[in-house]
Amino acid sequence: NAGVMQNPRHLVRRRGQEARLRCSPMKGHSHVYWYRQLPEEGLKFMVYLQKENIIDESGMPKERFSAEFPKEGPSILRIQQVVRGDSAAYFCASSRPQGGDEKLFFGSGTQLSVL
Amino acid sequence: GESVGLHLPTLSVQEGDNSIINCAYSNSASDYFIWYKQESGKGPQFIIDIRSNMDKRQGQRVTVLLNKTVKHLSLQIAATQPGDSAVYFCAENIGNNFNKFYFGSGTKLNVKP
Repeated sequence: NAGVMQNPRHLVRRRGQEARLRCSPMKGHSHVYWYRQLPEEGLKFMVYLQKENIIDESGMPKERFSAEFPKEGPSILRIQQVVRGDSAAYFCASSRPQGGDEKLFFGSGTQLSVL
Repeated sequence: GESVGLHLPTLSVQEGDNSIINCAYSNSASDYFIWYKQESGKGPQFIIDIRSNMDKRQGQRVTVLLNKTVKHLSLQIAATQPGDSAVYFCAENIGNNFNKFYFGSGTKLNVKP
């Protein structure tokens, strides 16, 4: 009974490189959410996706950040031309379709470090 | 923007004592709340939830209280154990906002043996 799977756990990038973070939701879950967490802070909502659709990206920076959840495969959070300020823990969560269990179940996160 | 805040950033309790973690929210339209526990290096783990049509909900060793009048939420942990040491977040959801949750900044619970 695998939970939400995120990889990699740790990702180191130099300024200007691209970062790709992957998230496989729990079995039976079709909703995916990405959150960002800075040290000693709470989680900040970034984006909410369903299969092949971005439902709400109001928390995502307009530039350099993008997210997708294709019909097949994991959800991807992509950060282009990373800067030091992108260093953070990025958590993915999943839930069942609305009207069912609304709880978010989180993965273990990807710690992104930008050198 | 964020509308959830916590009264105490750090709470130290003796093993065996009861713990109370508080949370204030500002959006009166919030109708669903969750408490999460986050251990170091891990993702948030669901503890207990409550809907706005309830005042109290109990789980195993945990109780969540909701006071809508003053927009206050609390998590009570009975007989606190060392394994309860973690950061605790309350998260609120506004019903018309799908499953977008707003998280507070967290309270760190230290359990002293």
